[in-house]
Amino acid sequence: SQQGEEDPQALSIQEGENATMNCSYKTSINNLQWYRQNSGRGLVHLILIRSNEREKHSGRLRVTLDTSKKSSSLLITASRAADTASYFCATGSMDSNYQLIWGAGTKLIIKP
Amino acid sequence: DSGVTQTPKHLITATGQRVTLRCSPRSGDLSVYWYQQSLDQGLQFLIQYYNGEERAKGNILERFSAQQFPDLHSELNLSSLELGDSALYFCASSDRDGGYEQYFGPGTRLTVT
Repeated sequence: SQQGEEDPQALSIQEGENATMNCSYKTSINNLQWYRQNSGRGLVHLILIRSNEREKHSGRLRVTLDTSKKSSSLLITASRAADTASYFCATGSMDSNYQLIWGAGTKLIIKP
Repeated sequence: DSGVTQTPKHLITATGQRVTLRCSPRSGDLSVYWYQQSLDQGLQFLIQYYNGEERAKGNILERFSAQQFPDLHSELNLSSLELGDSALYFCASSDRDGGYEQYFGPGTRLTVT
């Protein structure tokens, strides 16, 4: 079953702008992860944030986690054409026997 | 390059046939996961193996089966293929048993005609 729901489903912005994607989930979690998928390719792990963390940075990526609202956001700053991809959130939870539960993804298009 | 390899990259076969997809995990990873991704279904978890043992099952059809061998490579067998089985099949691996970072292979694109 899909626990994570990304919002928006699709996002188109100009190169250089910031992109924000959101993920909501339903049960308590151990961690939340973000992955990127370029068209037709395998997913690439971007960042993992644990349930006791509120914010994490990796290069131009910033992830926040609000466990009270059961939501996370992924911010990509100063977007580049190469950031064009689909972005998925996935949650790891004791409730799902620690199997990752995946969202449907946000399709991000960066216009040059 | 994630270090996970999958073969073949592309497979075209007819309905009713049987195919085998192969995955080699990253060196040292004990867990292997199989996923199906089709246009209208998103990423669907099929099955996980950890050090040779089945650990978790997702939405895997009875026509599909998998195994992980002593050298930790894994195979996904798809039989009595239907048109709806056309999809990208991904293998992922991790060094732990569930719930943590997974490293994906490039996928096998299966087309059933």
